[in-house]
Amino acid sequence: DSGVTQTPKHLITATGQRVTLRCSPRSGDLSVYWYQQSLDQGLQFLIQYYNGEERAKGNILERFSAQQFPDLHSELNLSSLELGDSALYFCASSPNSGTETSGRGGEQFFGPGTRLTVL
Amino acid sequence: AQKITQTQPGMFVQEKEAVTLDCTYDTSDQSYGLFWYKQPSSGEMIFLIYQGSYDEQNATEGRYSLNFQKARKSANLVISASQLGDSAMYFCAMRDLTNDYKLSFGAGTTVTVRA
Repeated sequence: DSGVTQTPKHLITATGQRVTLRCSPRSGDLSVYWYQQSLDQGLQFLIQYYNGEERAKGNILERFSAQQFPDLHSELNLSSLELGDSALYFCASSPNSGTETSGRGGEQFFGPGTRLTVL
Repeated sequence: AQKITQTQPGMFVQEKEAVTLDCTYDTSDQSYGLFWYKQPSSGEMIFLIYQGSYDEQNATEGRYSLNFQKARKSANLVISASQLGDSAMYFCAMRDLTNDYKLSFGAGTTVTVRA
């Protein structure tokens, strides 16, 4: 158990709908990262938040948005869903901003993932 | 841009034998970190081992060791004494330690351990 929690574990919805995925980082971790794992694109970085502020953006669609709240939990909002959005969405956390070189290079601890199926 | 290449989509290994998973990377960064993660069929991502670009010794964590050849830009994972529970997908990943935050992942290698 990494200490990162994600809810829900599974989500089945229809095209055009909107869903919210929730992530609680490990206690004390300030950074939250979102990744998408799909069959055709593999594992891709979406976005990072550090202590409530957006820190880095990857291949995140405009239909997707995220935020990190004062208690450091994060939500990923996916709207106008398409069949191609079906994927496993991971949240990861780390104690720091990510630029530190000590220790394990800023190891990221992954949650169990949310499997999204769009029908 | 960083690119991670894992050329072995799938491998079979006999229980108690060692297996080497290949990973090559391409980066212009001077300071970077290399990671290996395991993803069993249940889906979670489990951290296995880390190697920093300036680390002079190859990393080891229990039955896992990383064969780091910086000049060749390779970071192969060696799993010794394979167990049935090692059957999983294995991902190589890299991160720029000074300017970037995200992990860039390879396509993964599926390992199946045979009894």
